[in-house]
Amino acid sequence: LAKTTQPISMDSYEGQEVNITCSHNNIATNDYITWYQQFPSQGPRFIIQGYKTKVTNEVASLFIPADRKSSTLSLPRVSLSDTAVYYCLVGDIENRDDKIIFGKGTRLHILP
Amino acid sequence: DAGVTQSPTHLIKTRGQQVTLRCSPKSGHDTVSWYQQALGQGPQFIFQYYEEEERQRGNFPDRFSGHQFPNYSSELNVNALLLGDSALYLCASSLFRDRYNSPLHFGNGTRLTVT
Repeated sequence: LAKTTQPISMDSYEGQEVNITCSHNNIATNDYITWYQQFPSQGPRFIIQGYKTKVTNEVASLFIPADRKSSTLSLPRVSLSDTAVYYCLVGDIENRDDKIIFGKGTRLHILP
Repeated sequence: DAGVTQSPTHLIKTRGQQVTLRCSPKSGHDTVSWYQQALGQGPQFIFQYYEEEERQRGNFPDRFSGHQFPNYSSELNVNALLLGDSALYLCASSLFRDRYNSPLHFGNGTRLTVT
């Protein structure tokens, strides 16, 4: 499984765009990149998943460069309620490995 | 449409005791995975159940065992509790045939404190 590296923590202000970058130098051909959000005392919640280029949904965008060795989660116009831990996961969804591995994540703190 | 439900929400046990945690998957899901999350850490994979069998297991001792019932609900059992077993235990469900294309759905966990 490819190991991921994320910043331990980030601060931003309400209304700003926040970009969290995840490094995954050993990503394999079949690996997808998935991001989860977790609030205190709650289970992680799926945000977005992608394989290459750009993916956008109602919550966030995911940018993946051509070499796929990193990815960036972009949260537009954040609010205080976006304060949470964000996990970047890389998993082989074609190799029948269901051991989805979480790292320590990025603690995002949104300031008023 | 009920999401993943876990019980109890909080539990306090004494070192050496045994504990059973329960999970009901999201409606329509047939696969259950269990995770342990220590304070300040990411969730750590314990094991996954499908068709009432353990399919994959993480790096956890045999003190951790599980079960899946015909209705897809699941139990996590931990024997001979240690202080280090204190954590948030998360259950996640998915649909086996779509597990590669769909995200995990997590419950809000059981907070276990071992004294």
